[in-house]
Amino acid sequence: NAGVTQTPKFQVLKTGQSMTLQCAQDMNHNSMYWYRQDPGMGLRLIYYSASEGTTDKGEVPNGYNVSRLNKREFSLRLESAAPSQTSVYFCASRIWGRHTLEGYTFGSGTRLTVV
Amino acid sequence: GESVGLHLPTLSVQEGDNSIINCAYSNSASDYFIWYKQESGKGPQFIIDIRSNMDKRQGQRVTVLLNKTVKHLSLQIAATQPGDSAVYFCAENSGGSNYKLTFGKGTLLTVNP
Repeated sequence: NAGVTQTPKFQVLKTGQSMTLQCAQDMNHNSMYWYRQDPGMGLRLIYYSASEGTTDKGEVPNGYNVSRLNKREFSLRLESAAPSQTSVYFCASRIWGRHTLEGYTFGSGTRLTVV
Repeated sequence: GESVGLHLPTLSVQEGDNSIINCAYSNSASDYFIWYKQESGKGPQFIIDIRSNMDKRQGQRVTVLLNKTVKHLSLQIAATQPGDSAVYFCAENSGGSNYKLTFGKGTLLTVNP
């Protein structure tokens, strides 16, 4: 039971390049989320998927697209990377029906640098 | 601007002392509040949460207090240990059943042996 797994852990891109960040969870969670974390700031929500087959924008969606491939996997795509997208990206997942958020689990992050 | 913020960006305490980390929030509709711990190079780790219909909740060595009148949240860590050194974030759920979290900027807690 690995929890939330993100790949890659580190990535350097040139401006204009594209890439996809992968996230998979093995906890049979329903909802999945993508956040970014910039220095001196808390995490900010990019996109989320409340359930398989649905996706919605969060606070900072511009420049990103997402795909909820199946219940386990939720990918984040940068079509044309910009230096402003240099950040640490965290994927999270959550199961429905819980009365607390203790089950809201984060991955270990992908550190992305755009030069 | 941020709807959740912290009063102190850094906090340094001696091992064995109690630590108090504070947080202000602005969304009166938020129904859940969570404290996360983040160690260097790792993702946020759940510590404790509290629902908006509660004033206090205790865990192992941690207590969260919620004052809805002044929109204030605090995390108390008893007998702070070196392993408690990390950045602590408060977060609020203002997304209803979608549980979209809004995070504060974080407080760096340093425990001196």
